[in-house]
This record gives sequence, C-alpha cells and structure tokens, in this order.
Amino acid sequence: EPEVTQTPSHQVTQMGQEVILRCVPISNHLYFYWYRQILGQKVEFLVSFYNNEISEKSEIFDDQFSVERPDGSNFTLKIRSTKLEDSAMYFCASRRGAPSDTQYFGPGTRLTVL
Amino acid sequence: AQSVSQHNHHVILSEAASLELGCNYSYGGTVNLFWYVQYPGQHLQLLLKYFSGDPLVKGIKGFEAEFIKSKFSFNLRKPSVQWSDTAEYFCAVNASYNNNDMRFGAGTRLTVKP
Repeated sequence: EPEVTQTPSHQVTQMGQEVILRCVPISNHLYFYWYRQILGQKVEFLVSFYNNEISEKSEIFDDQFSVERPDGSNFTLKIRSTKLEDSAMYFCASRRGAPSDTQYFGPGTRLTVL
Repeated sequence: AQSVSQHNHHVILSEAASLELGCNYSYGGTVNLFWYVQYPGQHLQLLLKYFSGDPLVKGIKGFEAEFIKSKFSFNLRKPSVQWSDTAEYFCAVNASYNNNDMRFGAGTRLTVKP
C-alpha cells in the first residue's frame, strides 16, 4: 500500500538556524498538508497546498514558514529561523481529491530546537 | 471556523470493557468526520470516517462511530477493547466543500490494562 514518507525522522537544530523538513506524498494525490503536534498537545493544521500554491494557512504559519514542491514528488516545509517553541512533531499528509477522501499521514519528523 | 471537542483526556479500561469516546464538533455546514488513531511511536492512521449515508460507520479493528447530526456528535465505540488498543485517539472534521484544513480534537489517550 502506498504511504507518505518523511525525512529526517528526527532533526536537532540550534535556535535561529534554518531547517527543511521533507515529505514524499502518495504519488497520485493532489492535496498536501503540514501539521504539527507539540508534545502532549493536539495536532494543529499549518498549511495546505494544491496546484503548486498555498490554498490555506493557519495563524501559526507566519513568515518564518514556507512550503515548496520543488519537483514532482517532494513537498518541503522550511522554517527560516527556528525558535524554541518550534520544537514539535511535524506531520505531512496528502489526499487524493475530494474533502471526503482520507488524508494519509506520514510518520512525522521530530524537530528539536536547542 | 470549525472546532472539535474531545471531552475525555485519558481513559483507562480493563481488557474486554466497552469503550465510548466522545467527540463534538462546532460547524454549521455539512462536514466530513474522521477518527484517527496514533499508536505509541507511530503515525496517525485512519480508523473510520463519515461523509454521507448511514450515520453508523464501521471501521477497522472492530471500531464504529455514530454521527448524530442533531447533537453535533461523532462518538467512537468498541464493544470489547484489547490491550493493543492502547493509543491516542483523535477526532477530526473538515467542511464538505473545503479542500483545505482539517481540525483535530485534543485527543483522548486510551490505556487498556491487560
């Protein structure tokens, strides 16, 4: 069964550094998402992406965040200048088409900002 | 904007006990409803979803959920839990017409004692 993959599984960085989290969505999916989950808290929506542009973003997704689909398979989340409070689990998800279709989640990248 | 409430933060049951996890959502339009499970150290997996038709939805591993529109609820049930059901359970909702974000509840941690 196809699955969403994410790399790395764990990223440790110093405050102020840039990080890029990578995701490979399921190949025939059209909608892509990033979520984060701070330890012990709920899963929070960050951004959705369709047709090579952001379709919606949450208040969390400020100017420090950006997303890109640099080629036909990868979907990346960049944090330009990490803060301590960016430490969280970041999940990528993809969905084939209609809103009722299942969103498939990747295993997540644990980001630790020191 | 839609929101999701899960009233039980941590539920502890013995094996073979029956389970019901509450989920209420706040949204005036037509919605799609989902239950995801996160086993320890693993990523989010879909248990079941509702988007139309029979309000009683059956999912994997013996789980079911009932959509009660008048109560804005989508409670998850299982008649007899197993130790392997120990996990975090998340209710989620998106608007039927909206291709974008999915809102998650805070999650309910289920611990099943052998």
